[in-house]
Amino acid sequence: DGGITQSPKYLFRKEGQNVTLSCEQNLNHDAMYWYRQDPGQGLRLIYYSQIVNDFQKGDIAEGYSVSREKKESFPLTVTSAQKNPTAFYLCASSSLRNTEAFFGQGTRLTVV
Amino acid sequence: QKEVEQDPGPLSVPEGAIVSLNCTYSNSAFQYFMWYRQYSRKGPELLMYTYSSGNKEDGRFTAQVDKSSKYISLFIRDSQPSDSATYLCAMSSNTGNQFYFGTGTSLTVIP
Repeated sequence: DGGITQSPKYLFRKEGQNVTLSCEQNLNHDAMYWYRQDPGQGLRLIYYSQIVNDFQKGDIAEGYSVSREKKESFPLTVTSAQKNPTAFYLCASSSLRNTEAFFGQGTRLTVV
Repeated sequence: QKEVEQDPGPLSVPEGAIVSLNCTYSNSAFQYFMWYRQYSRKGPELLMYTYSSGNKEDGRFTAQVDKSSKYISLFIRDSQPSDSATYLCAMSSNTGNQFYFGTGTSLTVIP
């Protein structure tokens, strides 16, 4: 089945640690996105990539980093510089025509 | 002004009711319109996708787009308790490189 796989489903981070969230897609989509979802705030764009080895900052990129070494993969690293990382993180992909986006099942990150 | 406005609700209806969910937008370049259903602690699931203006029907769901009014709607007929979720509208243009989402409307269908 084609789709987007995010792992892990739940992640706990200690203060000062960097953690990496995985996102893999087999939809042959060129574009991939990372969003952060907080209660009552909707989806906020962190980073997006439209081609391998290239990516752009979204609205809330500070404290996050990404890489796009393969078309299928777009991992997100939450660094220690992100002061309030506890949130639900969603990865999505689409064709370059931006006709519709497909989402993974999300990773819930909690700082302990 | 936000690109996309959506009433957050919450909306509570009895089973079998017709539900109307709406979004307004400001960017006339938007051509692709989507509705997502999101259950608690899950990723959004694409429910309906519409290109430009008009209606699209899929089972109990109907999506309407009125580009002249910059207004989109999702109708759910014969609502079921399993329809209880948050519904997100989204839109994009073929000249941009992002999707723009509403904040979501929380719906509860009471048995």
